[in-house]
Amino acid sequence: DAGVIQSPRHEVTEMGQEVTLRCKPISGHDYLFWYRQTMMRGLELLIYFNNNVPIDDSGMPEDRFSAKMPNASFSTLKIQPSEPRDSAVYFCVTDNSNYGYTFGSGTRLTVV
Amino acid sequence: ILNVEQSPQSLHVQEGDSTNFTCSFPSSNFYALHWYRWETAKSPEALFVMTLNGDEKKKGRISATLNTKEGYSYLYIKGSQPEDSATYLCAFIPSNYQLIWGAGTKLIIKP
Repeated sequence: DAGVIQSPRHEVTEMGQEVTLRCKPISGHDYLFWYRQTMMRGLELLIYFNNNVPIDDSGMPEDRFSAKMPNASFSTLKIQPSEPRDSAVYFCVTDNSNYGYTFGSGTRLTVV
Repeated sequence: ILNVEQSPQSLHVQEGDSTNFTCSFPSSNFYALHWYRWETAKSPEALFVMTLNGDEKKKGRISATLNTKEGYSYLYIKGSQPEDSATYLCAFIPSNYQLIWGAGTKLIIKP
């Protein structure tokens, strides 16, 4: 089991560019969460899916953010256009109720 | 507003000493409580999933207890080692499954 796989690990982009973060969840984990982590605000839930269906996107900061889960083995988080305040670590997380959440390694995004 | 509080915010402990810290959560609508260890430059890793009042879980030198009636959980580390240095997060899951994170306790073990 390779765990939750995120790519890229690091992304540096210029303000205004589109950024796409990718996640391959653990097979069989029905829930997938996108979190953002910053020093100021800690872990923030952006959106989560259950069986590929978006359930709650109230944490998505604004229309510049969108997330999709076209199938059980892939999800994306897109920011268009990106801004410096989007700089953070973005975690993709899946849920195995008996053992807790499994975090991906995260994508460290820097928008300059 | 549901709130999860962890105390202390940070803690310095001498290597070899034992320590503990607290997670407080709402005592109503309880479903589960999670503990995670988050080492610097890594991702959080699940330590314990606790669901029953009175639960006690143990993994090596680390153990946790749960009191759902009064809304608290303790995490204990026996004989601290440098590799225990990390931030320890608790997460409260109420009956609507909307997980709420504590801010964490940052533990630093001094050699």
